[in-house]
Amino acid sequence: DAMVIQNPRYQVTQFGKPVTLSCSQTLNHNVMYWYQQKSSQAPKLLFHYYDKDFNNEADTPDNFQSRRPNTSFCFLDIRSPGLGDAAMYLCATSRDLTGVSGANVLTFGAGSRLTVL
Amino acid sequence: AQKITQTQPGMFVQEKEAVTLDCTYDTSDPSYGLFWYKQPSSGEMIFLIYQGSYDQQNATEGRYSLNFQKARKSANLVISASQLGDSAMYFCAMSDNQAGTALIFGKGTTLSVSS
Repeated sequence: DAMVIQNPRYQVTQFGKPVTLSCSQTLNHNVMYWYQQKSSQAPKLLFHYYDKDFNNEADTPDNFQSRRPNTSFCFLDIRSPGLGDAAMYLCATSRDLTGVSGANVLTFGAGSRLTVL
Repeated sequence: AQKITQTQPGMFVQEKEAVTLDCTYDTSDPSYGLFWYKQPSSGEMIFLIYQGSYDQQNATEGRYSLNFQKARKSANLVISASQLGDSAMYFCAMSDNQAGTALIFGKGTTLSVSS
C-alpha cells in the first residue's frame, strides 16, 4: 500500500543534542509537510516542500531545518533541541499545492514523538 | 485571518448512539475546503471527510457526515452508530486560497465511546 513512513517513531535526545527525523512516501506526491504537535494542541505547520521549493512558515524557529534530497524523502533537523521542542512531529504529503480540493487531501504518517531530557 | 474553532474539549457517547462534533470557521475567501481528521492515541492523523465551500450537498462517507451550514460558518461532524474504535481526538481543519494547501487545524475534540 502507498503510504507515508516516519522514522523513528520515538526519539529521545538530550538538551542541545541535534536530532534528525525522517519521512518517506510511496505516493509520489509533490508536496511534503512537517507539522509540530505539542500535547493536547493542534498541529502547527513548520514548513513544506513543493517539489524542491522550500517554504518556511514565518514563525518557525531557525533551530528547525529541513531537507528533501529526492521526491520520496524529507528530513527534519532540529539543531539544538530545547525542552520546548518536545512534541509529536507529523509528516504529511499531498499531490499538489491547492488545498481547496478534496483531491488534495493530506496523507499523514504515524508521527515521530520527540522527548528532550 | 483564517481561524478554526472547536469548542468541545471532550465528548462522551455510548456505543450505537450518534454524536455531533462542533466546528466553526472564519475566512474571507469565498473558496475554501473543510476537512475532518481522526487521531487515535497511536498518533496518526486519519482523513475522514471533506466539504468544499461550493458543494451544494453535505458530504457523507459511511458513518460520517458533515453538517455544513455556510451562512453560520459551521461544519459539524456527525458520527452515526458510534463504535468503541471511534474513541480518538477529532480535528476540524480548513484550507483556502490564501493558506494554499496548508491546513489550519482547530484544537480538537476528544471523543470517548463507552459500551
